[in-house]
Amino acid sequence: GAVVSQHPSRVICKSGTSVKIECRSLDFQATTMFWYRQFPKQSLMLMATSNEGSKATYEQGVEKDKFLINHASLTLSTLTVTSAHPEDSSFYICSAGADSDTQYFGPGTRLTVL
Amino acid sequence: KQEVTQIPAALSVPEGENLVLNCSFTDSAIYNLQWFRQDPGKGLTSLLLIQSSQREQTSGRLNASLDKSSGRSTLYIAASQPGDSATYLCGAGGNKLTFGTGTQLKVEL
Repeated sequence: GAVVSQHPSRVICKSGTSVKIECRSLDFQATTMFWYRQFPKQSLMLMATSNEGSKATYEQGVEKDKFLINHASLTLSTLTVTSAHPEDSSFYICSAGADSDTQYFGPGTRLTVL
Repeated sequence: KQEVTQIPAALSVPEGENLVLNCSFTDSAIYNLQWFRQDPGKGLTSLLLIQSSQREQTSGRLNASLDKSSGRSTLYIAASQPGDSATYLCGAGGNKLTFGTGTQLKVEL
């Protein structure tokens, strides 16, 4: 089956630093990837749609300058949390689709900002 | 805007019991509905995917149904085991999913 990986799986950083999270589709190409965020005991909320070769589409309320998304190839999307603050601490999960209506989820990245 | 609701929010059952988890969605214009399992601190494990043209899918002890017209899906777990303890999420949409808040299941010995 299709495999999506994320790196790192866990990161702890100081307030004010920037953190990059990678999402890779290992055995298929994905023109579109999605980034979700999950706060403790809450469900996943879509943050943005990452489009290969073009700008990402952000959901309402998500700051595009805060959460930079780059989708430079058909197998890699990156999410950079800039100037991270404790309230950005969350579980970030990406997904990628091999076709138009099915997506596969990565294992997630737990970000803790001190 | 799609809204997905899952009930109950939490469920505790004795081992061996059959159980049903419910998911409802407001916008029936979906490509598919997926059920996922999430263990504490972990990512999502896809359990079953039902295409919009399908009525149900089965995998082992799991059976998921979909009724688009009423905006409902159910996940049936037969002969529950302690290893089934987890949070179960449903997501409705297509490649972009709207998730419910999940049902936290505990199967006790």
